[in-house]
Amino acid sequence: KQEVTQIPAALSVPEGENLVLNCSFTDSAIYNLQWFRQDPGKGLTSLLLIQSSQREQTSGRLNASLDKSSGRSTLYIAASQPGDSATYLCAALNSGYSTLTFGKGTMLLVSP
Amino acid sequence: DTGVSQNPRHKITKRGQNVTFRCDPISEHNRLYWYRQTLGQGPEFLTYFQNEAQLEKSRLLSDRFSAERPKGSFSTLEIQRTEQGDSAMYLCASSPRGGAWSTYEQYFGPGTRLTVT
Repeated sequence: KQEVTQIPAALSVPEGENLVLNCSFTDSAIYNLQWFRQDPGKGLTSLLLIQSSQREQTSGRLNASLDKSSGRSTLYIAASQPGDSATYLCAALNSGYSTLTFGKGTMLLVSP
Repeated sequence: DTGVSQNPRHKITKRGQNVTFRCDPISEHNRLYWYRQTLGQGPEFLTYFQNEAQLEKSRLLSDRFSAERPKGSFSTLEIQRTEQGDSAMYLCASSPRGGAWSTYEQYFGPGTRLTVT
């Protein structure tokens, strides 16, 4: 059974800092890995998707990497802003293309 | 708006009542998923449809839960005889038809927050 762990559970940084969020998964037989953002009481917004054959994806100030063999992914946020404050979730899609297994998320607070 | 929509957005019900939620996926997506999220946790998979066929169900989906997608378009999730432990955010997602080049990226709706009193 796939298990996804995110570290740290919470992170508080001043505006402008670069930061790294970590995600690990136990079963390397994944099809892809998605990073999501969730604002309080809201649904999920997809940030980046990395296919299992890829090593990284970039979108603006966000960069996500994937190392399937070690069961790890990282989300790098450059020059953080207060508007980045949210919970960030990673999720691994099983090789049957049906089930996303989520971590518990990292709650990020960026202070001005 | 061509995103995933869910109704209602909030539902408060008394223990023992039945509730039904609706999800309208992105129009050209043939795959639809239901997840449940409790406070402080990540979403947990409940069930998955490809067109009108329900192909996978989690053990979390007790016999009080039933999901349908009658014409392969919108889907409903019904909870019978609600319990306080059913209080959660119910999320729906959809993804495009699969294939050799598909990413199977899932797009989520805003969720329905259920409170059972």
